[in-house]
Amino acid sequence: DAKTTQPTSMDCAEGRAANLPCNHSTISGNEYVYWYRQIHSQGPQYIIHGLKNNETNEMASLIITEDRKSSTLILPHATLRDTAVYYCIVRVATGFQKLVFGTGTRLLVSP
Amino acid sequence: KAGVTQTPRYLIKTRGQQVTLSCSPISGHRSVSWYQQTPGQGLQFLFEYFSETQRNKGNFPGRFSGRQFSNSRSEMNVSTLELGDSALYLCASSTHWGAGLLAGAQNTGELFFGEGSRLTVL
Repeated sequence: DAKTTQPTSMDCAEGRAANLPCNHSTISGNEYVYWYRQIHSQGPQYIIHGLKNNETNEMASLIITEDRKSSTLILPHATLRDTAVYYCIVRVATGFQKLVFGTGTRLLVSP
Repeated sequence: KAGVTQTPRYLIKTRGQQVTLSCSPISGHRSVSWYQQTPGQGLQFLFEYFSETQRNKGNFPGRFSGRQFSNSRSEMNVSTLELGDSALYLCASSTHWGAGLLAGAQNTGELFFGEGSRLTVL
């Protein structure tokens, strides 16, 4: 079973920040938070991951709460091409590459 | 560099047939994993291979099998196809298995997915 819970869907206006929340209250100390997204009919695409510090890359920012029980993915300036299903996953960074995907959040970016 | 390549992209089979799907990982990647995606069950892990050995297996019947070759390319096979096997089959590759951050390698644990093979069983 997935170890994360996410809202089923969210809307965002183009050019605005999209903030996607994720709850992972049972996360273990050695588990990272990973975010992937899947644009319709394509394979999932890695976005970002983090352990306990906030992370930023060219695609997004990841804010993890101090108790690590939840996190937020931030797309600072959403575009129409960011419309996708976003998956929040927790896993260890080493070992088996199994990912347990939940149902994800369907983000719709509108003009 | 080239991404993960999956062939064929689309195929149609009938019940009882078998199918073989192929995956070529990113050059230098030694770990290949397979996922099945259906509207009802979402993305589910099938199995993972590293150095020609199956390292982990999901909860699928024995009709689903796979293998990995010495060049890291991987194939998965589904025998005695059922209607419920209709799905998008995704392959993902990664640089390492087990080494990771503790070994100082640049392993982010990131998986690179292919575009998938869409199988329709009639």
